[in-house]
Amino acid sequence: AQTVTQSQPEMSVQEAETVTLSCTYDTSENNYYLFWYKQPPSRQMILVIRQEAYKQQNATENRFSVNFQKAAKSFSLKISDSQLGDTAMYFCAFMENNDMRFGAGTRLTVKP
Amino acid sequence: DAGVTQSPTHLIKTRGQHVTLRCSPISGHKSVSWYQQVLGQGPQFIFQYYEKEERGRGNFPDRFSARQFPNYSSELNVNALLLGDSALYLCASSLGTTTQETQYFGPGTRLLVL
Repeated sequence: AQTVTQSQPEMSVQEAETVTLSCTYDTSENNYYLFWYKQPPSRQMILVIRQEAYKQQNATENRFSVNFQKAAKSFSLKISDSQLGDTAMYFCAFMENNDMRFGAGTRLTVKP
Repeated sequence: DAGVTQSPTHLIKTRGQHVTLRCSPISGHKSVSWYQQVLGQGPQFIFQYYEKEERGRGNFPDRFSARQFPNYSSELNVNALLLGDSALYLCASSLGTTTQETQYFGPGTRLLVL
């Protein structure tokens, strides 16, 4: 069974700086999808970015980008120009065969 | 467009009772998935339904059941509640069931079992 590991329970960053959240996963499959979700204190989970495993190019969405290393089974999220509104729990997720697995999350605090 | 909606927002029950949680997907979405998020942890997959049929089930006891209606809304039922069932229950909808499809989450129902 696939597992998702987020090794950083908490992180903080100064406003306008860059932060990277790490995620590793385990699977024996070759075709799958990876996601980063954000859950602000109001609790609604919001999709930040997604990556298809068959694509070598790293996904980018405005200030958010990923570093996808398929061989290493690593999927980190980089947030550039951090904003106060980025403060939230961030969950890495892996989907295979209709089963979405989430990591335990990283609590990110952006400091003014 | 309205997003995924869930009701109620909060619920308090006692051990042994039964609870029903409801979810309405985004218009046009035919798939609904349910997750349990215990405080301090990531969501855990409970069920996925598509076109009224169960398409996936996580590692949860038979006390947990769900169904999907012709309008694609869904209910999650939990019988014989235990203290450990206290959690945020999230519903997510997607167009279909293929792995590539993004799931969109609702605000959740916070269940407290006393």
